[in-house]
Amino acid sequence: DAGVIQSPRHEVTEMGQEVTLRCKPISGHNSLFWYRQTMMRGLELLIYFNNNVPIDDSGMPEDRFSAKMPNASFSTLKIQPSEPRDSAVYFCASSAGSVRTEAFFGQGTRLTVV
Amino acid sequence: QQQVKQSPQSLIVQKGGISIINCAYENTAFDYFPWYQQFPGKGPALLIAIRPDVSEKKEGRFTISFNKSAKQFSLHIMDSQPGDSATYFCAARTGRSQGNLIFGKGTKLSVKP
Repeated sequence: DAGVIQSPRHEVTEMGQEVTLRCKPISGHNSLFWYRQTMMRGLELLIYFNNNVPIDDSGMPEDRFSAKMPNASFSTLKIQPSEPRDSAVYFCASSAGSVRTEAFFGQGTRLTVV
Repeated sequence: QQQVKQSPQSLIVQKGGISIINCAYENTAFDYFPWYQQFPGKGPALLIAIRPDVSEKKEGRFTISFNKSAKQFSLHIMDSQPGDSATYFCAARTGRSQGNLIFGKGTKLSVKP
């Protein structure tokens, strides 16, 4: 299995532009998570899906952020418009969904908004 | 509100020494406590995990000690090696959250040769 696949690995964009981050979870996993990592705040959960349905989006910072999971093998995190304070590493993770199942992380997308 | 507090922020240990990282939690509904290891440029990866019905779990050089009454748990790395140099995160999850991990802020471990 290739693991959780995220794209792009690096993204540099100008303030005000739309940014879309992509994630392909591990096949058979029914839970998907988007995390944001910064030096100041550490790893923060933004949103998670179970069986393609958003379960908790309370971590999404504001309306500029949106996430979708149109099917079991694909999810997107969109920021529109982007701001410099959105610069961070964004991780996608997936798990088989039961309580004590390991969450597998992708390699992350490093976003820089200038 | 930070639900999982981790210390220290950084740690320097000599090769062969013991590395100890501590975490404390507040929510008594947490019932799964994993530790993740992250190397630069990589995503976190599960290292070892424990449930609150045991006080200790050991896997190779890595041991989790768990104190339910104190709401604390710690990671011990025995015979630390330079290859262990990474950032370590403790985390916690409730049975109802279907995988929603709450992470500590991480400890950057450097093992000097």
